[in-house]
This record gives sequence, structure tokens and C-alpha cells, in this order.
Amino acid sequence: QSVLTQPPSASGTPGQRVTISCSGSSSNIGSNTVNWYQQLPGTAPKLLIYSNNQRPSGVPDRFSGSKSGTSASLAISGLQSEDEADYYCAAWDDSLIVFGGGTKLTVL
Amino acid sequence: QVQLQQWGAGLLKPSETLSLTCAVYGGSFSGYYWSWIRQPPGKGLEWIGEINHSGSTNYNPSLKSRVTISVDTSKNQFSLKLSSVTAADTAVYYCARTPHYYDSSGRRRRYMDVWGKGTTVTVSS
Repeated sequence: QSVLTQPPSASGTPGQRVTISCSGSSSNIGSNTVNWYQQLPGTAPKLLIYSNNQRPSGVPDRFSGSKSGTSASLAISGLQSEDEADYYCAAWDDSLIVFGGGTKLTVL
Repeated sequence: QVQLQQWGAGLLKPSETLSLTCAVYGGSFSGYYWSWIRQPPGKGLEWIGEINHSGSTNYNPSLKSRVTISVDTSKNQFSLKLSSVTAADTAVYYCARTPHYYDSSGRRRRYMDVWGKGTTVTVSS
């Protein structure tokens, strides 16, 4: 049981816009920033979004993040086949980093 | 371009101590915290803990009694030791650079921006 709650799966067709939600509480998302990680099959996670909505250099602007209250969202526009991966949200919670359980994104 | 190279024993017996090391190449070592994260087969990510160049640590409370993270600044390396392992500790273990910064309200924030490739550790009798 993960501290942050994500839907286990999401899907979309090429070109579509997809959103992935991440729900937490006042001790984590409600009082700290949210980061998002992308994990392609068989590889290490990669930082996708930090500080709720900031993209590291090299991350396409198709990826965007937002936060409101105790929830956060990752949006992917112009979906591409290479976006098929697992996505994890993360936040600080009192004394540790906590993750969501991950969302497996399928590009149909 | 900073790179993290990690290594360690991949097969352990129950009750043994897991030992992994992560070396940092191509970037500053002293300006960051450095984390260990693990991922059991088919499951999500779990943060184990972090350390900075001066040895200041933060640990996941659920693992704190068994975890030691240490640093060797002369080699730009940091290490993980996890004692009394069981099958539940079977996972891919990742090291990651963890920048800390302070926002406009003075609160500390962190994220993990560079990751090692991962080391598979299996605990089996």
C-alpha cells in the first residue's frame, strides 16, 4: 500500500492528451512539492517533472505537471509510442520520500 | 555529464548483510545529497535513505534499524549496507543524485535527477 495513490493503469492513442493523478495528504503533497519519474521497461527511473511543474533540461514540453491541495497531476499531450512506460509521483513526507504505486501507461 | 556507476553482491543468503557502492563520475560530489532507492520485482519504488558529503544522513524509518549509508569523499563514492536481509529485500537497488534546495518560503525541497543503472539483489537460501 503506497502512501501516494495513483491509478494502476492509463491509456491513450497517439496524439491524444493523457493525465495521471496522484493523491496524497496534508503531510506530503499538501505541504511539499511533487516530483514525477518515468521508467521505461527494463531501465532506471528518469526525472520528468520536479517542484510540481518544472521540467529538467531535455524533457519535452509535452510533459507538464500541476498541483492543487493534496493532489497532483501529470499531463502528457501529443502522446507518442515512446511514452509507454511506468510513471511515479513522489513527495517528501515528514522524514522520508514517499512514492505512488506507479501508473502503467499504454499507448494503443 | 555526471554518471553513477554502482556495484555489489547480487546473491545473498537470509541473515547476511547487503553491501552496495555507487561511484560518481563527471560532476561535483560535495554539493549534493546522494540516495539509495529499491524496487522489488514487479513493484514500485521505495526510498531507503540519503547522505551528503559530510556524512549527514536521512533514513526511511521502516528500514532505519538495518540500514547504514556511508560516504568516501576521497573516491567520490557512497555505500549502502542493509543487515539481516530476508527474501523481502530482494529488489533492484538504485543510487541517485539528490539535489536539495530551498524555496521562496525557506522550505527544503529535494528530487532525484541522476540515477544509476541499478543492481539486482536476490536473497535466497
